[in-house]
Amino acid sequence: DTAVSQTPKYLVTQMGNDKSIKCEQNLGHDTMYWYKQDSKKFLKIMFSYNNKELIINETVPNRFSPKSPDKAHLNLHINSLELGDSAVYFCASSQGVAGANVLTFGAGSRLTVL
Amino acid sequence: GQNIDQPTEMTATEGAIVQINCTYQTSGFNGLFWYQQHAGEAPTFLSYNVLDGLEEKGRFSSFLSRSKGYSYLLLKELQMKDSASYLCAVRDGNYQLIWGAGTKLIIKP
Repeated sequence: DTAVSQTPKYLVTQMGNDKSIKCEQNLGHDTMYWYKQDSKKFLKIMFSYNNKELIINETVPNRFSPKSPDKAHLNLHINSLELGDSAVYFCASSQGVAGANVLTFGAGSRLTVL
Repeated sequence: GQNIDQPTEMTATEGAIVQINCTYQTSGFNGLFWYQQHAGEAPTFLSYNVLDGLEEKGRFSSFLSRSKGYSYLLLKELQMKDSASYLCAVRDGNYQLIWGAGTKLIIKP
């Protein structure tokens, strides 16, 4: 059983299109995240939800909109895709945000914008 | 600003020992993590330090000095499968994780 699963794994699309990436975790965690990892390998936090409430909303273009229908799901919708959006997007989950809480990551979704 | 510094790349020989350093400057400190990331895969948790000293877990150990803003990850008896990137991450005073760019470790036979 995959703990954090995200789909699709690969996404190739044209500039200007709208796309979504879905994420689900079966660990019973209460906090979920979206990270962007660019070609330089920096992991940058984009959003974090705790029990469906947005708790971290970093400076990302408002073309990116997260949605958490329940605490086991966190989806990412991207409007009007741009070349610079090409990256690997990782979903992750944890139990709480303090202490030794460990992030469990999904396998990543590689987005290529042409 | 907040930043995490790690070497970009290191090379070591199979069977040897390697130490990967991480220095950090953050607003507050609530723990330091090391993650391993194989190429094309997700990061996976290796270790957590919140108090000064050495944490040992099998072939991997992690050290923390809060006064120096410094940590290292020590890998012993290196195996080819240890070839990966090693990411240092610090939880700041607001409980946000700040990530380093990672150290790519290349193991040679």
